[in-house]
Amino acid sequence: EIVLTQSPGTLSLSPGERATLSCRASQSVISTYLAWYQQKPGQAPRLLIYGASSRATGIPDRFSGSGSGTDFTLTISRLEPEDFAVYYCQQYGSSPFTFGPGTKVHIK
Amino acid sequence: EVQLLESGGGLVQPGGSLRLSCAASGFTFSSYAMSWVRQAPGKGLEWVSAISGGGGTTYYADSVKGRFTISRDNSKNTVYLQMNSLRAEDTAIYYCARGYCSGGSCYWGTDYWGQGTLVTVSS
Repeated sequence: EIVLTQSPGTLSLSPGERATLSCRASQSVISTYLAWYQQKPGQAPRLLIYGASSRATGIPDRFSGSGSGTDFTLTISRLEPEDFAVYYCQQYGSSPFTFGPGTKVHIK
Repeated sequence: EVQLLESGGGLVQPGGSLRLSCAASGFTFSSYAMSWVRQAPGKGLEWVSAISGGGGTTYYADSVKGRFTISRDNSKNTVYLQMNSLRAEDTAIYYCARGYCSGGSCYWGTDYWGQGTLVTVSS
């Protein structure tokens, strides 16, 4: 089983700042099958990034993903008020298709 | 418009059973893998199970293997999760989610999610 570790656990930032979230895998993720999701309280998760770096439909270009192998990054170039949420990474290259524990981005 | 509507959640005693359903609309259901993901109260996301578009391939998390069964009826555009031998630690919101397709290929990663159904296992 691939274990995903996300850091930091919590990120305190102000609107307009840049957010950099990390997702590290215990072994190489097959074919960059790595996704990022955003979840707000009381809502279902929303897909942001798939294939490590492709933005999902309707996702603003301030969200970008990068990485390969065992190290992946989600970057939010300039935080908007609606971006404060919990972010999860998930690998779907090999079953079980595990999630990371999440990074909470909250307003400083 | 893609829609996923889960149902079947509720309160069940430890050791009991429950069957969740997820009715899909707005896309060619049989072309897409489907997954179940759960979230315990105040906790993170946990992937539970997935099934291929044709139903011939299924995967399970170790925590539910042997107790849960995923299936689908493509004539009814519905995916199911049969949950047996339920435990308190199975208490969670259960989401169904659609696999995504891109560039002519389809993958186990998910794009659209339902709003979830709450399962509570308690005596």
